Amino acid sequence: AQSVTQLDSHVSVSEGTPVLLRCNYSSSYSPSLFWYVQHPNKGLQLLLKYTSAATLVKGINGFEAEFKKSETSFHLTKPSAHMSDAAEYFCVVTVNYGGATNKLIFGTGTLLAVQP
Amino acid sequence: GAGVSQSPSNKVTEKGKDVELRCDPISGHTALYWYRQRLGQGLEFLIYFQGNSAPDKSGLPSDRFSAERTGESVSTLTIQRTQQEDSAVYLCASSLVRSGVWGDTQYFGPGTRLTVL
Repeated sequence: AQSVTQLDSHVSVSEGTPVLLRCNYSSSYSPSLFWYVQHPNKGLQLLLKYTSAATLVKGINGFEAEFKKSETSFHLTKPSAHMSDAAEYFCVVTVNYGGATNKLIFGTGTLLAVQP
Repeated sequence: GAGVSQSPSNKVTEKGKDVELRCDPISGHTALYWYRQRLGQGLEFLIYFQGNSAPDKSGLPSDRFSAERTGESVSTLTIQRTQQEDSAVYLCASSLVRSGVWGDTQYFGPGTRLTVL
């Protein structure tokens, strides 16, 4: 079965400092992995995705994530936080085998706070 | 172009009443998904439609929940005899499904916030 674990429910950083949001996954098959962001009272927006191409994935707004199979991790990083990055971030894995529903399996989310 | 739209944006109902939630996917997207997000939690998969195939209903929490889709367009999620634990945001997503390609991006609607009193 596929699952994701987001290791921190809350992360607080100062503006201009690096961001690290941790995610570990479990999958019996080759996974596709995503990070979605949800701003207050707004819909989910895709930040980036990994689908078995380059292991370092660059997304929108300066975010990137690295797929590390040996560590079963897909951590999200950004070199310098901006106030507008404050939101909830979800790590997501999708079922990835023949004939199966392409449903997304969400982590429980990490709430990122950015202090001025 | 237009994204996924959902209606209503908010719905307040009394326990025991039926509710119907609507989703309009992105034009041309063959796959449609419903998810539920309870307060402070991640999303739970409910149901998946793909073309004319039988829907994957494996995530529906009880037989009070049902969904339909007309061709490759509008979908409605119906909750009968609502309970307080049904209170959540119900999100719809759509995507292309390309043969031999996995992980096509799902685009989410803004959701319907359901409150059962």
